[in-house]
Amino acid sequence: DGGITQSPKYLFRKEGQNVTLSCEQNLNHDAMYWYRQDPGQGLRLIYYSQIVNDFQKGDIAEGYSVSREKKESFPLTVTSAQKNPTAFYLCASSRLNPQIEAFFGQGTRLTVV
Amino acid sequence: AQTVTQSQPEMSVQEAETVTLSCTYDTSESDYYLFWYKQPPSRQMILVIRQEAYKQQNATENRFSVNFQKAAKSFSLKISDSQLGDAAMYFCAYRRVFGANSKLTFGKGITLSVRP
Repeated sequence: DGGITQSPKYLFRKEGQNVTLSCEQNLNHDAMYWYRQDPGQGLRLIYYSQIVNDFQKGDIAEGYSVSREKKESFPLTVTSAQKNPTAFYLCASSRLNPQIEAFFGQGTRLTVV
Repeated sequence: AQTVTQSQPEMSVQEAETVTLSCTYDTSESDYYLFWYKQPPSRQMILVIRQEAYKQQNATENRFSVNFQKAAKSFSLKISDSQLGDAAMYFCAYRRVFGANSKLTFGKGITLSVRP
């Protein structure tokens, strides 16, 4: 079945460590996105990419980095510079032309202790 | 910048009754898409319904329908014959049609509970 796979579902890290969240899609979508979800905040865009080897900052990119070496993959690294990394992270993808709805993965809950 | 506002953080409905969730948005664009997404306790985001701004007819999907008021920039979701499985967070979202970097902008969401 086509879809978006995020792994792992739960992730625990010590403060000061970088951590990478995985996102893979087999929908042949060109565009991919990372959102952060906090209680009462809705979904806020971290980074997005519309083509391999290119990506743009979203609304809250500080402390995060991404890469897009393959069309299917868009990993997110939460660096030690992110002040409050504990959150629920959602990856999404969509077609480009037309660019309409996005499809989401199951999410990764990151807890930094 | 586009903004999406969901002013009601929580709502409750009796099973089999009808409930309406409100959403307003702000944009200077004339062509755009509006969406309602559902996030159940599993936290998987599911698309409920989509509306193209150029269409005057309100979108419907089974028990779900929208009231799209373009001039008022209002986009409400009506759930008819509410079921226990409708209990979830609902997010309103906006995306413009044109532009190289069209992205989805979400509201803060509303938590819907369904009373048996």
